[in-house]
Amino acid sequence: SQKIEQNSEALNIQEGKTATLTCNYTNYSPAYLQWYRQDPGRGPVFLLLIRENEKEKRKERLKVTFDTTLKQSLFHITASQPADSATYLCALLPGTALIFGKGTTLSVSS
Amino acid sequence: GAGVSQTPSNKVTEKGKYVELRCDPISGHTALYWYRQSLGQGPEFLIYFQGTGAADDSGLPNDRFFAVRPEGSVSTLKIQRTERGDSAVYLCASSLDRRETQYFGPGTRLLVL
Repeated sequence: SQKIEQNSEALNIQEGKTATLTCNYTNYSPAYLQWYRQDPGRGPVFLLLIRENEKEKRKERLKVTFDTTLKQSLFHITASQPADSATYLCALLPGTALIFGKGTTLSVSS
Repeated sequence: GAGVSQTPSNKVTEKGKYVELRCDPISGHTALYWYRQSLGQGPEFLIYFQGTGAADDSGLPNDRFFAVRPEGSVSTLKIQRTERGDSAVYLCASSLDRRETQYFGPGTRLLVL
């Protein structure tokens, strides 16, 4: 069956460090992969989309990589700040609707 | 501009009751989605509308769940004979068209006692 795994439920890092979150998938051949941020009590907010023919995408302090051979995406936040603390979700769109991983909750301490 | 809005923000009901959850999508967005999110999980797809029609309702868990979008804008998710297992956050999202970026509302927190 199709599966998306974000292999860390929680990640704690110090301010200024780089946070790296992992998303692995099986039994998909997605055209692209998306990353969302979700704060407590809020809906997910779209951050970045990376296509299968793109190895890397950047937006300000965010960087996403996509390896279709390994079936893995890495999401990096450089120079992390306490305001980056949230749950980050990866998602695929294999058909009609998004399929999400469980998310990784990032805590950045000052 | 205004984002996706959902009402009510919280709903507490008793087992067996009927509930309606409302979603106001971003103006001009033809695609509308309902998802359900349980604690510690990612959102799970329920139903997708393209315009007024339900193009994909394969995520609805059973026939107690039903959704409408009669004029191609506002949508209502209806749950009959609620069960405790229906307790979750119900999220609505809209996009300009299928496969475009989805914008989520804040969700309705449903608690069935």
